[in-house]
Amino acid sequence: GAGVSQSPSNKVTEKGKDVELRCDPISGHTALYWYRQSLGQGLEFLIYFQGNSAPDKSGLPSDRFSAERTGGSVSTLTIQRTQQEDSAVYLCASSAPGSSYNEQFFGPGTRLTVL
Amino acid sequence: AQSVTQLGSHVSVSEGALVLLRCNYSSSVPPYLFWYVQYPNQGLQLLLKYTSAATLVKGINGFEAEFKKSETSFHLTKPSAHMSDAAEYFCAVSDLNTGRRALTFGSGTRLQVQP
Repeated sequence: GAGVSQSPSNKVTEKGKDVELRCDPISGHTALYWYRQSLGQGLEFLIYFQGNSAPDKSGLPSDRFSAERTGGSVSTLTIQRTQQEDSAVYLCASSAPGSSYNEQFFGPGTRLTVL
Repeated sequence: AQSVTQLGSHVSVSEGALVLLRCNYSSSVPPYLFWYVQYPNQGLQLLLKYTSAATLVKGINGFEAEFKKSETSFHLTKPSAHMSDAAEYFCAVSDLNTGRRALTFGSGTRLQVQP
């Protein structure tokens, strides 16, 4: 079946602009995660959604970052007033309901470049 | 907070040689452990996972890993490297005992395979 998909695959923007990154999880997966992969920082957790529960936003680096998940499926990560340090690959992952060990399936990522 | 340490940011082996990528975790209770592989410009692909069912875990592409509680290690091995194994490898831990759903990743090890 289809895996996790993300769009766009690449995004170049100017400092100060807002960007939206999209994630389509695997059908039927109730948990959705966003991670950021950047040089020097490795893979960092950003935010986690599980069904209709309140999201775990503990990894968001600043209030310029926000995310929503509509209808329990597609998620959008929004970065406002982008800064050069936001340049990174943003990875989305999903996991199946009842996954007792939290196996996560990753999308190909969106490479964000802030000029 | 739990952490994962991968010794060696770069490992180079000859084709046909043994591959050994090291991973140590810090957790008072054995967590769930994963190895992911990332090929250039792609997302993360799950290689194998430890879920306490067996200490020696076999994964895809001929890789395996052994969980050693006494050493808090989960090293990844492959008896004979292939050119197609060149990629970056990440060890990750999921410690659901803390209620944290996000994976914590090591800093990654880039594997080079020399002809």
